[in-house]
Amino acid sequence: GAVVSQHPSRVICKSGTSVKIECRSLDFQATTMFWYRQFPKKSLMLMATSNEGSKATYEQGVEKDKFLINHASLTLSTLTVTSAHPEDSSFYICSARGWQTNEKLFFGSGTQLSVL
Amino acid sequence: DQQVKQNSPSLSVQEGRISILNCDYTNSMFDYFLWYKKYPAEGPTFLISISSIKDKNEDGRFTVFLNKSAKHLSLHIVPSQPGDSAVYFCAASSGNTGKLIFGQGTTLQVKP
Repeated sequence: GAVVSQHPSRVICKSGTSVKIECRSLDFQATTMFWYRQFPKKSLMLMATSNEGSKATYEQGVEKDKFLINHASLTLSTLTVTSAHPEDSSFYICSARGWQTNEKLFFGSGTQLSVL
Repeated sequence: DQQVKQNSPSLSVQEGRISILNCDYTNSMFDYFLWYKKYPAEGPTFLISISSIKDKNEDGRFTVFLNKSAKHLSLHIVPSQPGDSAVYFCAASSGNTGKLIFGQGTTLQVKP
């Protein structure tokens, strides 16, 4: 299947700092990328949908100024958690799809964010 | 409002037996359903899917059944293997938006 690479896999940061998470499609052009977060023992919750070259569409309740999403190219989307707080600690996962994947979604390996 | 529900948080079966994981949904607009398998600290991996125009889809040891009238789907794994031990998520989408709504997940443990 297609490969989606997500980095870093784990990050620990101090409260008030910003953290950037990268999601790359390695062998296909990702026209659409999705960002999810997962709390322990909870489901994956969709945060936002980003289409290459346009602004991300955020789900209800997700602060767009806090979770900045950039999808500037067909192979890269970034999620920046700005002014992180302990309640932002979570597992963040990206997924991507494109015409080369027959619109099937492929997921990155996730990023465990811990805010101290 | 949980549109996709997996009411069993965990399931334990013996190796070689059948594992049945269940999923219920409330949104009648969902037209595509998927099952993902997830190991700790990893992203979900796609397992099997089914379109709402079908009621069954089979792939090797994995079969997904869809009952639209009951808004219920299930994943059957037979025979179950210890390597199947993981968290299984069902997910649903509508209108080819690519947006997936996930259930809470069921942790499957297959005992040798």
